[in-house]
Amino acid sequence: AQSVTQLGSHVSVSEGALVLLRCNYSSSVPPYLFWYVQYPNQGLQLLLKYTSAATLVKGINGFEAEFKKSETSFHLTKPSAHMSDAAEYFCAVKNGGATNKLIFGTGTLLAVQP
Amino acid sequence: DADVTQTPRNRITKTGKRIMLECSQTKGHDRMYWYRQDPGLGLQLIYYSFDVKDINKGEISDGYSVSRQAQAKFSLSLESAIPNQTALYFCATSAQGNTQYFGPGTRLTVL
Repeated sequence: AQSVTQLGSHVSVSEGALVLLRCNYSSSVPPYLFWYVQYPNQGLQLLLKYTSAATLVKGINGFEAEFKKSETSFHLTKPSAHMSDAAEYFCAVKNGGATNKLIFGTGTLLAVQP
Repeated sequence: DADVTQTPRNRITKTGKRIMLECSQTKGHDRMYWYRQDPGLGLQLIYYSFDVKDINKGEISDGYSVSRQAQAKFSLSLESAIPNQTALYFCATSAQGNTQYFGPGTRLTVL
């Protein structure tokens, strides 16, 4: 069965600093992996997804994530944080088979300090 | 206009009341999902539907029911609401494939 672990429920960075949000997955099949962002009082918006093509995936708003099979990781990064990046971030893995169900991590709340 | 809409956006109700949350989509997707979000738990799948005649339970379906009235509409009902159903509820849609698109959510409070 697939699962996702997000390390750190809260991360705080200074504006302009590197953002690193960690996600490790468990999957018995080649995984499809996703990062979603949730801004305050809004729904989830897709940031990026990995679907077995390039291991470095670029998303919206300057975010990217690298799929590392040997480490079973899919960490999200952004070189320079902006105040508008403050949000909650969710990593998810697609359930194997035809059901297309997503298994979500517990989320990481990113705070950006001025 | 938003592709996935949810009504109401906020609802306060009392224990024992029946309540329905509605979801509509204009993306033309055949698959629709209902999730609930609790602080520190991420999103958990309640029900999902692959088409009007195909409805399936998710991990936490107890206490909930759904209706797929049309390809574009998927409603979630709480027959007799209880306080531990207080949560943020999200509807999502997808075509066959990977990406799910989420609505803005409904914040439900059961007193």
